[in-house]
Amino acid sequence: ELKVEQNPLFLSMQEGKNYTIYCNYSTTSDRLYWYRQDPGKSLESLFVLLSNGAVKQEGRLMASLDTKARLSTLHITAAVHDLSATYFCAVDRGSNYKLTFGKGTLLTVNP
Amino acid sequence: GAGVSQSPSNKVTEKGKDVELRCDPISGHTALYWYRQRLGQGLEFLIYFQGNSAPDKSGLPSDRFSAERTGESVSTLTIQRTQQEDSAVYLCASSLVRLVQETQYFGPGTRLLVL
Repeated sequence: ELKVEQNPLFLSMQEGKNYTIYCNYSTTSDRLYWYRQDPGKSLESLFVLLSNGAVKQEGRLMASLDTKARLSTLHITAAVHDLSATYFCAVDRGSNYKLTFGKGTLLTVNP
Repeated sequence: GAGVSQSPSNKVTEKGKDVELRCDPISGHTALYWYRQRLGQGLEFLIYFQGNSAPDKSGLPSDRFSAERTGESVSTLTIQRTQQEDSAVYLCASSLVRLVQETQYFGPGTRLLVL
């Protein structure tokens, strides 16, 4: 059974600081996704990582994938309040694109 | 263009009643998914439809849950004899399925409360 673990589950940080969220998964995967969810809202796709060594960046967020270590990271650079949200990683395995989600990391960026 | 839409946005029901949740995927998306999100948790996969293939029902938690999809359009998720533990947000997503993976686009969800 595929398991996806995120850490930390809760992260409170100050504006301007850097931090990394980690996503480990238990078995070989084809694809890894990062989503953002604002309170009371649905999920917004941030990144899709398709291969070992993949790195994608959007604004202050950068995601990377190491398939050998079964690890993805979401790095936050110089955090701003607008980044406060819950971030989920999800892993896809097999041909039916069924996603297995981590429990999410609740990020709070304080002024 | 229009995104994934779901209705109702909120549903309060009494234990033992049946409920029906609706999802309209993005036009042209062949794949449709239902997920459940309990308070403070990640998403649990429920069911997956892809074109005319048999659906993947492996995530349905009990036989009280069922879902249908009409062609490549609307889907309904039905929960019979609702229980309090069914209270959650039910999210629908759709995607194109091609050789290169397309991301799943999520609807706003239906918040179900079973009293």
